[in-house]
Amino acid sequence: AQSVAQPEDQVNVAEGNPLTVKCTYSVSGNPYLFWYVQYPNRGLQFLLKYITGDNLVKGSYGFEAEFNKSQTSFHLKKPSALVSDSALYFCAVREGVSGGYQKVTFGTGTKLQVIP
Amino acid sequence: DTEVTQTPKHLVMGMTNKKSLKCEQHMGHRAMYWYKQKAKKPPELMFVYSYEKLSINESVPSRFSPECPNSSLLNLHLHALQPEDSALYLCASSQDTPGQGADTQYFGPGTRLTVL
Repeated sequence: AQSVAQPEDQVNVAEGNPLTVKCTYSVSGNPYLFWYVQYPNRGLQFLLKYITGDNLVKGSYGFEAEFNKSQTSFHLKKPSALVSDSALYFCAVREGVSGGYQKVTFGTGTKLQVIP
Repeated sequence: DTEVTQTPKHLVMGMTNKKSLKCEQHMGHRAMYWYKQKAKKPPELMFVYSYEKLSINESVPSRFSPECPNSSLLNLHLHALQPEDSALYLCASSQDTPGQGADTQYFGPGTRLTVL
């Protein structure tokens, strides 16, 4: 069975400071990893994904994430936080097998609060 | 264009009403999904359609009835709902390319459903 954990319910960071939102995962095979952001009363917006290749993945709005196989982590990062980054962030994982539908498992979400 | 549209944005219905939620995408995606999301919780998968055929039903009660009239449209018919069914209902789509497992799901803005 696959799972994903976001250990922090909320992360507070001052505007202009670097931010990190943590995610660890568990899958039986190779992982496909995703980050989504959700603003209040809106759907999820895709930020970035890791499939294979370079462990540092760059995505939308200046976000990036680092895949660490030994630590089974995929932390989301941004060098300089903006107040507009305040939102709910979901990490997601699916098993990296080809063919057929593979269920995506979402983490419980981390609320990011950027303080002006 | 990575847009998935959903109508209506808000819906209030009584327990004896029949209503439908609609979802549309014009990205040529062949997989479409319905999720249910409670406040501050991750999305919960309800149904998956692949090439217009229902491929996954996550043991959803029969008062929810999905329909995929064509490759661009996905409906969710609602009948005799309970107050605990009140939630944000999200539609998503992905390419579902055979032989590849890395498809990103793109989400619509959701329909906020309130059952009285």
